[in-house]
Amino acid sequence: QVQLQESGPGLVRPSQTLSLTCTVSDGSVDSSVHYWSWIRQHPDKGLEWIGYVYYIGSTHHNYNPSLRSRVTMSVEASKNQFSLDLSSVTAADTAVYFCARIRQQLTYFDSWGRGTLVTVSS
Amino acid sequence: IQLTQSPSSLSASVGDRVTITCRASRDIGNYLAWYQQEPGKAPKLLIYTASILQSGVPSRFSGSGSGSDFTLTISSLQPEDFATYYCQELNTFPLTFGGGTKVDFK
Repeated sequence: QVQLQESGPGLVRPSQTLSLTCTVSDGSVDSSVHYWSWIRQHPDKGLEWIGYVYYIGSTHHNYNPSLRSRVTMSVEASKNQFSLDLSSVTAADTAVYFCARIRQQLTYFDSWGRGTLVTVSS
Repeated sequence: IQLTQSPSSLSASVGDRVTITCRASRDIGNYLAWYQQEPGKAPKLLIYTASILQSGVPSRFSGSGSGSDFTLTISSLQPEDFATYYCQELNTFPLTFGGGTKVDFK
């Protein structure tokens, strides 16, 4: 049973870059049948897909157009981790951030991390 | 694509049959998944491609529908089922979720 765990700062200053890492256990980030994704949930709101990344020889990604200009995702295969950078954050980026595994082709999220709250505040 | 869930909330009792609807703004075939989110926890996959039960999910959960109208049914509500449920369209980008249906105690 794959497990995912988010890590990173819980507080980020406005205009700075939010950086999170997801560590994958009992699974491999260079899987040929999965993508690795970030989703966020604003307080008491619904779910927003941020994007996904995968590594097959090189890194490939697909970002939500609403966030594309500020998002960078990467994979560190040697550490079995993948990461999210979200630049120029504002209070509107305050949310719980989840990492998750996506089944390729059908794109459902079959495993999730517990989530980490990131607050943007000065 | 927009996914509209109804109702946005409902009150029910243990043992009740509960039905939640997800309507897509266009025909999406059977490309729909359902998730359960308990308070303070991550969502959990229940059903994918409209009707296939994820491994380990109790059989009281079922999904049906195709095209633009989909249903999640809980045949006999259990205490651990009080949660928020989301639908998600599959294989169309950006990936999107419905607004959620909160199931609470009557």
